[in-house]
Amino acid sequence: AQTVTQSQPEMSVQEAETVTLSCTYDTSESDYYLFWYKQPPSRQMILVIRQEAYKQQNATENRFSVNFQKAAKSFSLKISDSQLGDAAMYFCAYTGDKIIFGKGTRLHILP
Amino acid sequence: DTGVSQDPRHKITKRGQNVTFRCDPISEHNRLYWYRQTLGQGPEFLTYFQNEAQLEKSRLLSDRFSAERPKGSFSTLEIQRTEQGDSAMYLCASSLGGGQSHTQYFGPGTRLTVL
Repeated sequence: AQTVTQSQPEMSVQEAETVTLSCTYDTSESDYYLFWYKQPPSRQMILVIRQEAYKQQNATENRFSVNFQKAAKSFSLKISDSQLGDAAMYFCAYTGDKIIFGKGTRLHILP
Repeated sequence: DTGVSQDPRHKITKRGQNVTFRCDPISEHNRLYWYRQTLGQGPEFLTYFQNEAQLEKSRLLSDRFSAERPKGSFSTLEIQRTEQGDSAMYLCASSLGGGQSHTQYFGPGTRLTVL
């Protein structure tokens, strides 16, 4: 069965610094997609970034980038130049035969 | 673009009562998903629709739960004979396209409290 593990329940980073959130997953499928979603306090979940498993190139969206290591089944999210508005729960998600979300990492931004 | 909407936003009910939630997806989206999220956890997949067809149901979706999407537009999720363990946030999401590659757009959720 597929699983998604986010091993960091909470993290803190100083404003303007860089932080990396980790995500590992387990699957026997070869064709799947990985996502990072952001859920601000009391607000809707929104997409941060997505990665197709068949692509070797790591996805990038402005200050957000991923380090996708398919063989290691690792999909970490790097946030550069952290801003106060980045404070939120971040969920790693796997979609293939099943849709599975990790338990999330709460990110605090320190001013 | 009005986004995904859900109604009601909050529901308090007594154990044993039936409740129904509604989700209105983004208008051109043909896929609609339901999730349950408890405090401190990520969303747990419940079911999804491709247009009006319900294509998959999680084992989490007991026989007290039923979902419909008549005419492939809005969807309803009904919980019969609610239990305290049903207390959670129920999230709806929609996506465009027929594959799992497409980004899901989430609604604000319906928070259910069962007393």
